Amino acid sequence: DTEVTQTPKHLVMGMTNKKSLKCEQHMGHRAMYWYKQKAKKPPELMFVYSYEKLSINESVPSRFSPECPNSSLLNLHLHALQPEDSALYLCASSQGTGGFEAFFGQGTRLTVV
Amino acid sequence: AQSVAQPEDQVNVAEGNPLTVKCTYSVSGNPYLFWYVQYPNRGLQFLLKYITGDNLVKGSYGFEAEFNKSQTSFHLKKPSALVSDSALYFCAVRHTGGFKTIFGAGTRLFVKA
Repeated sequence: DTEVTQTPKHLVMGMTNKKSLKCEQHMGHRAMYWYKQKAKKPPELMFVYSYEKLSINESVPSRFSPECPNSSLLNLHLHALQPEDSALYLCASSQGTGGFEAFFGQGTRLTVV
Repeated sequence: AQSVAQPEDQVNVAEGNPLTVKCTYSVSGNPYLFWYVQYPNRGLQFLLKYITGDNLVKGSYGFEAEFNKSQTSFHLKKPSALVSDSALYFCAVRHTGGFKTIFGAGTRLFVKA
């Protein structure tokens, strides 16, 4: 299994809603990532988990809250988002850091209304 | 600080012709370099990487890239382009031992039949 699975594929939420994005991998990878991608732009790193511990938080607003319940799962909890947070949210995993390539999920297309 | 430059927003090539997508980088120390491809509404797919050793790296779908340390470049190439190669291509760099991957702005490749 070489897949990173993200759910849901599409999400529309109001600015007062609370929702969660989910990501799962069964490749035994110990590093997992959340990226945000706006249209026709490169992915922007949000969070990195290594061995289930948060290693990098790229100064992301607190309305985004990551969680890594175990080595296979990564969640992104959303609360009180703004319309400008609408984007494609990508989850990725890699065997480790350094020279290991990342495997990306198909993403969740988030629209905040 | 790490950075990646993809000087061309778009590359147009006829099917069957060779293609080149350019990438230059700036990083202290030895870099890990990657190429990813993204099809519409999809996540990124890994194509190839340079870690160390032979400067010519071969990857998926007939793509290859040449690492040039003196020119700090890592151009993506393919001898004969296919219409199905049309997509958005990202060059990326990671510092040795680092978690963070920096992506270039992306180059859109159009292959015309």
